[in-house]
Amino acid sequence: AQSVSQHNHHVILSEAASLELGCNYSYGGTVNLFWYVQYPGQHLQLLLKYFSGDPLVKGIKGFEAEFIKSKFSFNLRKPSVQWSDTAEYFCAVNSRNSGNTPLVFGKGTRLSVIA
Amino acid sequence: GAVVSQHPSRVICKSGTSVKIECRSLDFQATTMFWYRQFPKQSLMLMATSNEGSKATYEQGVEKDKFLINHASLTLSTLTVTSAHPEDSSFYICSARDPGLFNEQFFGPGTRLTVL
Repeated sequence: AQSVSQHNHHVILSEAASLELGCNYSYGGTVNLFWYVQYPGQHLQLLLKYFSGDPLVKGIKGFEAEFIKSKFSFNLRKPSVQWSDTAEYFCAVNSRNSGNTPLVFGKGTRLSVIA
Repeated sequence: GAVVSQHPSRVICKSGTSVKIECRSLDFQATTMFWYRQFPKQSLMLMATSNEGSKATYEQGVEKDKFLINHASLTLSTLTVTSAHPEDSSFYICSARDPGLFNEQFFGPGTRLTVL
């Protein structure tokens, strides 16, 4: 069964600091990888996704993620965070070319950006 | 991208009543939809997979008689929480798979259920 591990439960950063959130998955086949953000009191929004091709994926709001197949990782990065990036971040994975496999989510990482 | 809607966005009900939540794919046909539940400050937990024209597949620990799922058409799945209790209060989120590209799932905005 697939599983997703997010290493950091809560990250606190000052504005302009660089961000890296870890995500590792457990699955032997070909996968699709996603990062979602959930701002306080709001619904999920897709930040970026990886299906194939260039393993460095750029998303919205200056976020990027790098798929490292050998490490089963898909870490999220942003060079300079803003206060408005305060939110919950979820990594998710599903199986490609497998009929009904739903997205499996990590437990999430809460990011708090302070002035 | 594809759009998924949910209705209602928020519902408050009395204990013992039933609540129906609708999930619609607006611009694509979804043979498969998923229902997730998110408790405060927690991640999304898959409740069930809903397949058009057949019975839903429930995850372990999810009561199928309490959470009735009907996927009657290619654009609509409904989740009915029967005899709701305060512990059912949660954020319910549906997603629909677009078969066109890599089985990508698109998420609805969620329904916040509060049972008094």
